[in-house]
Amino acid sequence: DAMVIQNPRYQVTQFGKPVTLSCSQTLNHNVMYWYQQKSSQAPKLLFHYYDKDFNNEADTPDNFQSRRPNTSFCFLDIRSPGLGDAAMYLCATSRDHGGETEAFFGQGTRLTVV
Amino acid sequence: AQSVTQLGSHVSVSEGALVLLRCNYSSSVPPYLFWYVQYPNQGLQLLLKYTSAATLVKGINGFEAEFKKSETSFHLTKPSAHMSDAAEYFCAAKMDSNYQLIWGAGTKLIIKP
Repeated sequence: DAMVIQNPRYQVTQFGKPVTLSCSQTLNHNVMYWYQQKSSQAPKLLFHYYDKDFNNEADTPDNFQSRRPNTSFCFLDIRSPGLGDAAMYLCATSRDHGGETEAFFGQGTRLTVV
Repeated sequence: AQSVTQLGSHVSVSEGALVLLRCNYSSSVPPYLFWYVQYPNQGLQLLLKYTSAATLVKGINGFEAEFKKSETSFHLTKPSAHMSDAAEYFCAAKMDSNYQLIWGAGTKLIIKP
């Protein structure tokens, strides 16, 4: 089945130690998104790629970076995780930017910072 | 400014009872509307979407939603709740040619046995 896969499902990292979360998709979608979701809140968009074009949301901290080496893979790098970065990180894809095109989500990576 | 409001952060219903989760949008032009479900420690799964083709939209797991322009609403319903429906439900809106999903705050559905 075509899908969005996130690895790992659970990640524990130390305060200040860089961490990378990964996402892959078999849908061949143009757009890949990274969301941060804290407990009992709606997802918050961090950034997205349309093909190779990177789009950063204005309020995304500089501590968060992303790479998309090819259509299938996208990575979220947190350079110096703080306690406030503990959250669920969701990767999503969509065919394009069109209003009616839905986003397909991965299972998420729950990040714990110790 | 566009916004999505979900009335009730928690909704509790008995198993077998009607489920009604409310969603209202605020925008001058009717947006595309989506309902997603999220089970604990999982990603989000699309239940259904409104794309202006039909005002009554049927989705997965027996859910449906009706778009009412006059009320700027897109409420989610299911005739008979099942224990497996316990989850968080998010309503979201998107304007044409805009990548941004505008999210509601979510409603946690609790099913009482």
